[in-house]
Amino acid sequence: AQSVAQPEDQVNVAEGNPLTVKCTYSVSGNPYLFWYVQYPNRGLQFLLKYITGDNLVKGSYGFEAEFNKSQTSFHLKKPSALVSDSALYFCAVRALYSSASKIIFGSGTRLSIRP
Amino acid sequence: EAGVVQSPRYKIIEKKQPVAFWCNPISGHNTLYWYRQNLGQGPELLIRYENEEAVDDSQLPKDRFSAERLKGVDSTLKIQPAELGDSAVYLCASSPGGAAGELFFGEGSRLTVL
Repeated sequence: AQSVAQPEDQVNVAEGNPLTVKCTYSVSGNPYLFWYVQYPNRGLQFLLKYITGDNLVKGSYGFEAEFNKSQTSFHLKKPSALVSDSALYFCAVRALYSSASKIIFGSGTRLSIRP
Repeated sequence: EAGVVQSPRYKIIEKKQPVAFWCNPISGHNTLYWYRQNLGQGPELLIRYENEEAVDDSQLPKDRFSAERLKGVDSTLKIQPAELGDSAVYLCASSPGGAAGELFFGEGSRLTVL
């Protein structure tokens, strides 16, 4: 069965510092991995995805994520945090080559950037 | 390009009343999803459509929830009768199709059942 875990409910970072939001997954076979961001009272917005190829994926708003197959992780990173990055972040996983499989979302990590 | 449109944004009803949510996906997107998001949690899939066919409704509580996607475009999610535990945000998303495609979400419909 597919699953995704975000071990931190909240991450606090000072503006200008690097940030990491952690995600680990479990899926049979190779995964498709996604990160979404949710601002208050809004739907989820796509940030980036890993399908295949380079393990470092770059996305919107300066975010990037690194796929690590041996550790089954897909951590979200940004070199320099902005106050406007404060939001709820969700990692999601889907099994490769299985359009019948669900997209499973993690429970979310609240990112708080202090000025 | 217009995004996924949902209505109503907010709905307050008393328990045992019916409620319906409407979703208009992005034009040309064949796949449509309904998710439920409880406070402080990630979205959970209720039903997925490929065109007008419901291909995954295993998580839909069929005793009180129903959904339809007539003509493979707009979709409606209905709850009848609503229970207190149905209070949540109901998110609609669409995608062009394929396992690698990202989802495009609407802003959600927040339901409060009193």
